[in-house]
Amino acid sequence: EPEVTQTPSHQVTQMGQEVILRCVPISNHLYFYWYRQILGQKVEFLVSFYNNEISEKSEIFDDQFSVERPDGSNFTLKIRSTKLEDSAMYFCASRKKTYNSPLHFGNGTRLTVT
Amino acid sequence: TQLLEQSPQFLSIQEGENLTVYCNSSSVFSSLQWYRQEPGEGPVLLVTVVTGGEVKKLKRLTFQFGDARKDSSLHITAAQPGDTGLYLCAEETSGSRLTFGEGTQLTVNP
Repeated sequence: EPEVTQTPSHQVTQMGQEVILRCVPISNHLYFYWYRQILGQKVEFLVSFYNNEISEKSEIFDDQFSVERPDGSNFTLKIRSTKLEDSAMYFCASRKKTYNSPLHFGNGTRLTVT
Repeated sequence: TQLLEQSPQFLSIQEGENLTVYCNSSSVFSSLQWYRQEPGEGPVLLVTVVTGGEVKKLKRLTFQFGDARKDSSLHITAAQPGDTGLYLCAEETSGSRLTFGEGTQLTVNP
């Protein structure tokens, strides 16, 4: 069964550095998402992306964050200047259609900012 | 933003026991999704409930959506160690975003 893949599985970076988290959504999916989960807390929505533009973003997704679909397969999340509080699991997700269509999550990238 | 409350937060039971976990809100859900998340993995969708009073079964798992669409439950019959995981409910609050509850961490001991 096709799945969403994320790389790297773990990323350690120093505060202030830029990081790029990579995702390959399921190939025939059109809607793409990033969520994050700080250790011990709930899964939180960051951003949704459709037709090469952001559909919706949360209050967490400030100017330090950006997303891009540089080619037909990859979907990236960039954090320009990481802060300690950006440490979390970052999950990419995709689905074929919107609203009530099954959402498929990747296994996440664990980002640790030191 | 609607707040989803899940209970209990933690549940530890023996293999073979039955259990029920709950997801509640003060507002009406448009629809509700249940996910299971295992350590080091992303959430995996179990079911979506849409209609008030709806009951869906997935093998030993029974999902119920309250008549007023403000609550939902997940009942597991004869739990097995493989059922261990974090059970999350989530509402799709718009065409884009899911709002998750904090989850119930279930441990089934052999």
